[in-house]
Amino acid sequence: NAGVTQTPKFQVLKTGQSMTLQCAQDMNHEYMSWYRQDPGMGLRLIHYSVGAGITDQGEVPNGYNVSRSTTEDFPLRLLSAAPSQTSVYFCASTSRGGANEKLFFGSGTQLSVL
Amino acid sequence: RKEVEQDPGPFNVPEGATVAFNCTYSNSASQSFFWYRQDCRKEPKLLMSVYSSGNEDGRFTAQLNRASQYISLLIRDSKLSDSATYLCVVKGRWGSARQLTFGSGTQLTVLP
Repeated sequence: NAGVTQTPKFQVLKTGQSMTLQCAQDMNHEYMSWYRQDPGMGLRLIHYSVGAGITDQGEVPNGYNVSRSTTEDFPLRLLSAAPSQTSVYFCASTSRGGANEKLFFGSGTQLSVL
Repeated sequence: RKEVEQDPGPFNVPEGATVAFNCTYSNSASQSFFWYRQDCRKEPKLLMSVYSSGNEDGRFTAQLNRASQYISLLIRDSKLSDSATYLCVVKGRWGSARQLTFGSGTQLTVLP
Protein backbone atom coordinates (compact mmCIF):
# COMPACT_ATOMS: atom_id res chain seq x y z
CA ASN A 1 0.00 0.00 0.00
CA ALA A 2 1.92 3.05 -1.28
CA GLY A 3 -0.44 5.75 0.08
CA VAL A 4 0.01 9.05 -1.77
CA THR A 5 2.70 9.08 -4.45
CA GLN A 6 3.87 12.45 -5.70
CA THR A 7 6.38 13.13 -8.46
CA PRO A 8 8.82 14.68 -9.13
CA LYS A 9 10.57 15.45 -5.84
CA PHE A 10 12.53 18.34 -7.30
CA GLN A 11 12.04 20.48 -10.38
CA VAL A 12 13.66 23.59 -11.80
CA LEU A 13 11.79 25.55 -14.45
CA LYS A 14 12.43 28.66 -16.44
CA THR A 15 9.84 31.42 -16.42
CA GLY A 16 7.12 30.65 -18.93
CA GLN A 17 7.63 26.90 -19.02
CA SER A 18 4.78 24.57 -18.21
CA MET A 19 4.83 21.32 -16.29
CA THR A 20 2.63 18.81 -14.51
CA LEU A 21 3.06 17.56 -10.96
CA GLN A 22 1.72 14.07 -10.62
CA CYS A 23 -0.24 12.74 -7.64
CA ALA A 24 -1.71 9.29 -7.20
CA GLN A 25 -3.29 7.54 -4.24
CA ASP A 26 -4.20 3.89 -3.84
CA MET A 27 -6.49 4.19 -0.82
CA ASN A 28 -9.69 4.82 -2.81
CA HIS A 29 -10.01 8.26 -1.23
CA GLU A 30 -12.66 10.54 -2.62
CA TYR A 31 -11.05 13.78 -1.54
CA MET A 32 -7.74 14.98 -2.98
CA SER A 33 -6.08 18.34 -2.80
CA TRP A 34 -2.99 20.34 -3.66
CA TYR A 35 -1.24 22.72 -1.28
CA ARG A 36 1.73 24.98 -1.52
CA GLN A 37 3.93 25.74 1.45
CA ASP A 38 5.92 28.94 1.69
CA PRO A 39 8.05 30.11 4.62
CA GLY A 40 5.99 31.72 7.37
CA MET A 41 2.69 31.18 5.57
CA GLY A 42 1.59 27.65 6.32
CA LEU A 43 0.03 25.38 3.75
CA ARG A 44 -2.35 27.10 1.37
CA LEU A 45 -4.95 25.24 -0.67
CA ILE A 46 -4.55 25.55 -4.44
CA HIS A 47 -7.25 23.22 -5.83
CA TYR A 48 -9.20 20.30 -4.51
CA SER A 49 -11.50 17.53 -5.67
CA VAL A 50 -14.26 15.67 -3.86
CA GLY A 51 -14.48 12.93 -6.48
CA ALA A 52 -13.75 11.96 -10.05
CA GLY A 53 -14.92 14.66 -12.44
CA ILE A 54 -15.32 17.26 -9.67
CA THR A 55 -12.75 19.95 -8.94
CA ASP A 56 -12.87 23.34 -7.29
CA GLN A 57 -10.59 26.24 -6.50
CA GLY A 58 -8.89 26.77 -3.21
CA GLU A 59 -7.31 29.86 -1.72
CA VAL A 60 -4.56 30.39 -4.33
CA PRO A 61 -5.67 28.86 -7.67
CA ASN A 62 -4.28 31.38 -10.14
CA GLY A 63 -1.71 29.94 -12.53
CA TYR A 64 -2.67 26.33 -11.82
CA ASN A 65 -5.01 23.81 -13.44
CA VAL A 66 -6.24 20.46 -12.20
CA SER A 67 -8.35 17.60 -13.47
CA ARG A 68 -9.69 14.44 -11.84
CA SER A 69 -10.50 11.85 -14.47
CA THR A 70 -10.04 8.92 -12.07
CA THR A 71 -10.34 8.44 -8.32
CA GLU A 72 -6.63 7.65 -8.10
CA ASP A 73 -5.01 10.56 -9.96
CA PHE A 74 -5.03 14.30 -9.40
CA PRO A 75 -2.37 16.08 -11.48
CA LEU A 76 -1.51 19.75 -11.00
CA ARG A 77 -0.53 21.73 -14.07
CA LEU A 78 1.46 24.93 -14.07
CA LEU A 79 0.44 26.71 -17.23
CA SER A 80 3.21 29.30 -17.52
CA ALA A 81 5.60 29.16 -14.58
CA ALA A 82 6.45 32.36 -12.72
CA PRO A 83 9.07 32.97 -10.01
CA SER A 84 6.19 33.52 -7.53
CA GLN A 85 5.36 29.83 -7.95
CA THR A 86 8.66 28.80 -6.39
CA SER A 87 7.46 26.77 -3.44
CA VAL A 88 7.07 23.31 -1.96
CA TYR A 89 3.96 21.55 -3.22
CA PHE A 90 2.08 18.81 -1.39
CA CYS A 91 -0.68 16.60 -2.62
CA ALA A 92 -3.04 15.18 0.01
CA SER A 93 -5.98 12.82 0.18
CA THR A 94 -8.54 11.67 2.70
CA SER A 95 -11.63 9.55 2.82
CA ARG A 96 -14.99 11.23 3.09
CA GLY A 97 -15.73 10.39 6.66
CA GLY A 98 -16.33 11.87 10.05
CA ALA A 99 -15.05 15.08 11.49
CA ASN A 100 -11.71 13.60 12.46
CA GLU A 101 -10.60 12.16 9.16
CA LYS A 102 -6.85 12.12 8.62
CA LEU A 103 -5.10 13.82 5.71
CA PHE A 104 -2.46 11.73 3.98
CA PHE A 105 0.24 13.76 2.26
CA GLY A 106 2.60 12.96 -0.56
CA SER A 107 6.31 13.52 0.05
CA GLY A 108 6.30 16.93 -1.64
CA THR A 109 7.78 18.60 -4.71
CA GLN A 110 10.32 21.37 -4.34
CA LEU A 111 9.85 23.65 -7.33
CA SER A 112 12.14 26.50 -8.31
CA VAL A 113 11.20 28.87 -11.11
CA LEU A 114 14.08 30.95 -12.43
CA ARG B 1 -5.59 38.81 11.34
CA LYS B 2 -4.65 35.29 10.22
CA GLU B 3 -7.36 32.64 10.58
CA VAL B 4 -4.99 30.38 12.49
CA GLU B 5 -2.08 31.86 14.40
CA GLN B 6 0.83 30.12 16.01
CA ASP B 7 3.97 31.33 17.71
CA PRO B 8 6.64 30.41 15.13
CA GLY B 9 9.29 29.86 17.77
CA PRO B 10 11.81 28.43 17.63
CA PHE B 11 11.41 26.71 20.96
CA ASN B 12 14.75 25.27 22.09
CA VAL B 13 14.33 23.01 25.10
CA PRO B 14 16.57 20.47 26.85
CA GLU B 15 15.76 16.79 26.74
CA GLY B 16 13.25 15.88 29.41
CA ALA B 17 11.64 19.30 29.50
CA THR B 18 7.94 20.01 29.21
CA VAL B 19 6.94 22.38 26.43
CA ALA B 20 3.60 23.83 25.43
CA PHE B 21 2.40 25.39 22.19
CA ASN B 22 -0.69 27.46 21.71
CA CYS B 23 -2.70 28.15 18.60
CA THR B 24 -5.55 30.63 18.21
CA TYR B 25 -8.25 30.57 15.55
CA SER B 26 -10.57 33.30 14.43
CA ASN B 27 -13.59 31.42 13.05
CA SER B 28 -15.91 30.56 15.92
CA ALA B 29 -17.78 28.11 13.65
CA SER B 30 -14.72 25.86 13.41
CA GLN B 31 -15.61 22.30 14.34
CA SER B 32 -12.52 20.11 14.13
CA PHE B 33 -9.00 20.65 15.34
CA PHE B 34 -5.76 18.82 14.78
CA TRP B 35 -2.06 18.91 15.43
CA TYR B 36 0.22 17.79 12.61
CA ARG B 37 3.93 17.22 12.85
CA GLN B 38 6.30 18.11 10.03
CA ASP B 39 9.92 17.05 10.00
CA CYS B 40 12.42 19.12 8.04
CA ARG B 41 11.79 18.84 4.29
CA LYS B 42 9.15 16.15 4.83
CA GLU B 43 5.39 15.97 4.50
CA PRO B 44 3.08 16.80 7.43
CA LYS B 45 1.72 13.85 9.37
CA LEU B 46 -1.21 13.78 11.77
CA LEU B 47 -0.05 13.80 15.38
CA MET B 48 -3.42 13.93 17.06
CA SER B 49 -6.93 15.24 16.83
CA VAL B 50 -8.09 17.63 19.52
CA TYR B 51 -11.34 16.93 21.32
CA SER B 52 -13.43 19.26 23.42
CA SER B 53 -12.75 17.27 26.55
CA GLY B 54 -9.02 17.25 25.91
CA ASN B 55 -7.10 14.16 24.99
CA GLU B 56 -3.82 12.50 25.73
CA ASP B 57 -1.59 10.23 23.70
CA GLY B 58 1.42 9.12 25.68
CA ARG B 59 3.56 12.18 26.35
CA PHE B 60 1.31 14.43 24.28
CA THR B 61 -1.76 16.24 25.58
CA ALA B 62 -4.05 18.39 23.47
CA GLN B 63 -6.61 20.82 24.82
CA LEU B 64 -9.34 22.88 23.21
CA ASN B 65 -10.82 26.05 24.63
CA ARG B 66 -13.78 27.04 22.46
CA ALA B 67 -14.68 30.09 24.53
CA SER B 68 -11.24 31.63 23.99
CA GLN B 69 -10.78 30.00 20.58
CA TYR B 70 -7.45 28.37 21.16
CA ILE B 71 -5.96 24.92 21.19
CA SER B 72 -2.82 23.79 22.89
CA LEU B 73 -0.32 20.98 22.68
CA LEU B 74 1.72 19.90 25.68
CA ILE B 75 4.73 17.65 25.28
CA ARG B 76 6.12 16.09 28.45
CA ASP B 77 9.55 14.53 28.88
CA SER B 78 10.78 15.84 25.52
CA LYS B 79 12.88 13.54 23.37
CA LEU B 80 15.41 14.46 20.71
CA SER B 81 13.06 12.83 18.21
CA ASP B 82 10.35 15.37 19.06
CA SER B 83 12.33 18.03 17.17
CA ALA B 84 10.06 19.10 14.33
CA THR B 85 7.59 21.78 13.30
CA TYR B 86 4.12 21.43 14.79
CA LEU B 87 1.22 22.61 12.67
CA CYS B 88 -2.12 23.62 14.09
CA VAL B 89 -5.00 22.78 11.75
CA VAL B 90 -8.56 23.99 12.05
CA LYS B 91 -11.48 22.69 10.04
CA GLY B 92 -15.05 23.73 9.51
CA ARG B 93 -17.94 21.73 8.24
CA TRP B 94 -17.00 18.60 6.26
CA GLY B 95 -17.71 18.98 2.57
CA SER B 96 -16.01 22.34 2.34
CA ALA B 97 -12.31 21.76 1.88
CA ARG B 98 -11.70 25.49 1.81
CA GLN B 99 -12.38 25.47 5.53
CA LEU B 100 -9.28 23.39 6.36
CA THR B 101 -6.80 26.03 7.52
CA PHE B 102 -3.21 25.43 8.53
CA GLY B 103 -1.18 27.51 10.89
CA SER B 104 2.34 28.39 9.81
CA GLY B 105 3.82 26.10 12.42
CA THR B 106 5.86 26.21 15.62
CA GLN B 107 9.42 24.95 15.40
CA LEU B 108 10.70 22.82 18.27
CA THR B 109 14.29 21.78 18.81
CA VAL B 110 15.05 19.44 21.69
CA LEU B 111 18.66 19.75 22.77
CA PRO B 112 20.78 16.96 24.30
